[in-house]
Amino acid sequence: KQEVTQIPAALSVPEGENLVLNCSFTDSAIYNLQWFRQDPGKGLTSLLLIQSSQREQTSGRLNASLDKSSGRSTLYIAASQPGDSATYLCAVLTQGGSEKLVFGKGMKLTVNP
Amino acid sequence: EAQVTQNPRYLITVTGKKLTVTCSQNMNHEYMSWYRQDPGLGLRQIYYSMNVEVTDKGDVPEGYKVSRKEKRNFPLILESPSPNQTSLYFCASSFVGYHEQFFGPGTRLTVL
Repeated sequence: KQEVTQIPAALSVPEGENLVLNCSFTDSAIYNLQWFRQDPGKGLTSLLLIQSSQREQTSGRLNASLDKSSGRSTLYIAASQPGDSATYLCAVLTQGGSEKLVFGKGMKLTVNP
Repeated sequence: EAQVTQNPRYLITVTGKKLTVTCSQNMNHEYMSWYRQDPGLGLRQIYYSMNVEVTDKGDVPEGYKVSRKEKRNFPLILESPSPNQTSLYFCASSFVGYHEQFFGPGTRLTVL
């Protein structure tokens, strides 16, 4: 059974720091991995999608990498801003026919001005 | 604008009173899915649909029903809601074939 872990559960940093958010998964048989952002009381916003054949994806200040063989992904946020404060979730799309996303429990990020 | 919409966004109801949460997408996606999000448990899949008239159970289907009569709509039905169904519900859609999934804004349901 696929399990996705995000450690730590929360992180508080001063503005301007470069951040690395970690995600690990137990079964390397995945099709892709998505990073999402969730603001309080809001829905999930897709940030980056990495296909299993890819090593990384970039969007603006965000860069996500994937090491499928070791079951790890990282989301790098450059020059963090208070507006980056949110909960970040990673999810893997597992093989098995249901196209189900298996989510980590998320990491709550607070960027202080 | 390409989007997934859900209605209502907030709902407070009482045990046993049937309700429906609607989900609609305008991206011509074949795949649609419902998740619930609970503190400490994360997001879990309830039901999914690979196309019109094709639905199947996810990890936590008990107490829920779905239908897929049209490609764009995928309503979630709670025939007899109970307090343990108090949760934040998300609808998602994508093209079939392991593509990026897009989520609706969520429906916060409270069952008293």
